[in-house]
Amino acid sequence: DGGITQSPKYLFRKEGQNVTLSCEQNLNHDAMYWYRQDPGQGLRLIYYSQIVNDFQKGDIAEGYSVSREKKESFPLTVTSAQKNPTAFYLCASSPKRQGEHEQYFGPGTRLTVT
Amino acid sequence: ILNVEQSPQSLHVQEGDSTNFTCSFPSSNFYALHWYRWETAKSPEALFVMTLNGDEKKKGRISATLNTKEGYSYLYIKGSQPEDSATYLCAFGTGRRALTFGSGTRLQVQP
Repeated sequence: DGGITQSPKYLFRKEGQNVTLSCEQNLNHDAMYWYRQDPGQGLRLIYYSQIVNDFQKGDIAEGYSVSREKKESFPLTVTSAQKNPTAFYLCASSPKRQGEHEQYFGPGTRLTVT
Repeated sequence: ILNVEQSPQSLHVQEGDSTNFTCSFPSSNFYALHWYRWETAKSPEALFVMTLNGDEKKKGRISATLNTKEGYSYLYIKGSQPEDSATYLCAFGTGRRALTFGSGTRLQVQP
């Protein structure tokens, strides 16, 4: 089955701890993305990657870091510097970065930091 | 940050009603406009990707139009059904960066 997996579905952390969210795809897509959703808001772009070992900041990258060591994997680390980390995080991929390709989304991870 | 606006924010209709939503986006540097449907407890799924001014796309009872010169797209649902209940997201692409999403229109269809 081709698709995108994110784990875990729910994640709880104490304030001050870094936490890494997993995103894996077996669609052979070049581009991968991380979004954050807060209540009443749309999807806001955190980071994206067009190719292995390359990534760009999105609109709200502060307090987050990513890596793209393998084509199929794009983990997101929420650092202690992120002021409001509690949110729903969605990972997506597309064949290329250019906008004519639809994005395929994972099931999301809900992170709660207390 | 690009401004992509969707209206209305939410909508309640009766089964069988037809409805439409609007997505407004910058009219400059247009590359593509996407529509996604996001059902509760599921992942967003693409409905349409439109790239040409005047594009009209249709999938069953759902259709979309695109006006790139004035910066808007309409999504229409004919004869709404309870299974159409979802949040509908539009996303604007310039081709130079990743998509910018609107905040969505939440549709509830009452049986």
